Amino acid sequence: EDQVTQSPEALRLQEGESSSLNCSYTVSGLRGLFWYRQDPGKGPEFLFTLYSAGEEKEKERLKATLTKKESFLHITAPKPEDSATYLCAVRTTGNQFYFGTGTSLTVIP
Amino acid sequence: GAGVSQTPSNKVTEKGKYVELRCDPISGHTALYWYRQSLGQGPEFLIYFQGTGAADDSGLPNDRFFAVRPEGSVSTLKIQRTERGDSAVYLCASSPSGAAYEQYFGPGTRLTVT
Repeated sequence: EDQVTQSPEALRLQEGESSSLNCSYTVSGLRGLFWYRQDPGKGPEFLFTLYSAGEEKEKERLKATLTKKESFLHITAPKPEDSATYLCAVRTTGNQFYFGTGTSLTVIP
Repeated sequence: GAGVSQTPSNKVTEKGKYVELRCDPISGHTALYWYRQSLGQGPEFLIYFQGTGAADDSGLPNDRFFAVRPEGSVSTLKIQRTERGDSAVYLCASSPSGAAYEQYFGPGTRLTVT
């Protein structure tokens, strides 16, 4: 069964304290893995797409990496404005889309 | 340019009523998606349009749910005989071309069935 699992469910960091969020997936075939940021009351905001193992993408304090079984979203020296829920999604070779339940990140000043 | 817009932003309806939710995608985006998101959960795929046709409607939970996109732009999600379990945020997203590209989401419509 195709599945996307994110961990941890919630993460509290001090400002400047770097960490990583995990997205593990079990799918019949992967066409792409997507990371989104979602603020309360808003729709998800696109961050990255990764297509193959070994691929990395960076944007400001965020870096996404991909292996054959999981993806990591690394947050370097986070700021309070990075507080949000981070969602991972996969598109399968069968054109199915699955989202994880997200990691709620809180960065404390 | 303008992003994806959804109307209404909030909808409260009584059990058994019919509702329509509207999505205006980003101009020029050929792919359009509907998702449903419950509190504390990730978006759940409902249906995907490529142009005017539904390329994949496997996520629609039952035949009370239906969506159209008659001119390949605006889409309407229709829910008949609403049930309390239909209460959720309904998200629409559009994509430049096909399903391989990133999706840009609207702010959602919060549907509450009383």
